[in-house]
Amino acid sequence: GQNIDQPTEMTATEGAIVQINCTYQTSGFNGLFWYQQHAGEAPTFLSYNVLDGLEEKGRFSSFLSRSKGYSYLLLKELQMKDSASYLCAVRVYNQAGTALIFGKGTTLSVSS
Amino acid sequence: EAGVVQSPRYKIIEKKQPVAFWCNPISGHNTLYWYRQNLGQGPELLIRYENEEAVDDSQLPKDRFSAERLKGVDSTLKIQPAELGDSAVYLCASSQRTRAETQYFGPGTRLLVL
Repeated sequence: GQNIDQPTEMTATEGAIVQINCTYQTSGFNGLFWYQQHAGEAPTFLSYNVLDGLEEKGRFSSFLSRSKGYSYLLLKELQMKDSASYLCAVRVYNQAGTALIFGKGTTLSVSS
Repeated sequence: EAGVVQSPRYKIIEKKQPVAFWCNPISGHNTLYWYRQNLGQGPELLIRYENEEAVDDSQLPKDRFSAERLKGVDSTLKIQPAELGDSAVYLCASSQRTRAETQYFGPGTRLLVL
């Protein structure tokens, strides 16, 4: 089966750095995505990794290790608006081509 | 560029009633997805379209759910009859045929079945 694990909740303070981990056990790996979802809103694309290593995009970075089935999302210089759920999603090959499997999300609370 | 549009944003119905959701994807995106998201969970795929063709409907409860994508643009997802357990957020997403095939989501329809 396909399994994606991430912490349920995390807390941090403004200006800090936080790392949200994601581990996965899937067959037919074809890329890993991170999405941000504010309460009551749509998931918004943050990052995509298909090769090992770090992808940096402004205050957000994402890392992937395919051999370890591991990824993390790093958020720097935290702001109150970063309070949201962060979804790790793995794209896998299936009989219909590919499919995106989502984790349950990590709710990040940023306080002042 | 306009994003994925969905309507209605909210819907409250009684069980056994029918309900329909509409989605207009980003212009030029040939792939369209319907997901269901329960509280505290990640989205789960219901159906994926490539143009007009439903290429993955393995997770769609076909006894009560149906979907169509006429002309390969707009799509409608229907539930008939609705059950209490169908209360969830129904998300539509679309993507282009690029290497990443990043999916872009609409705001969703929040369904409450009483």
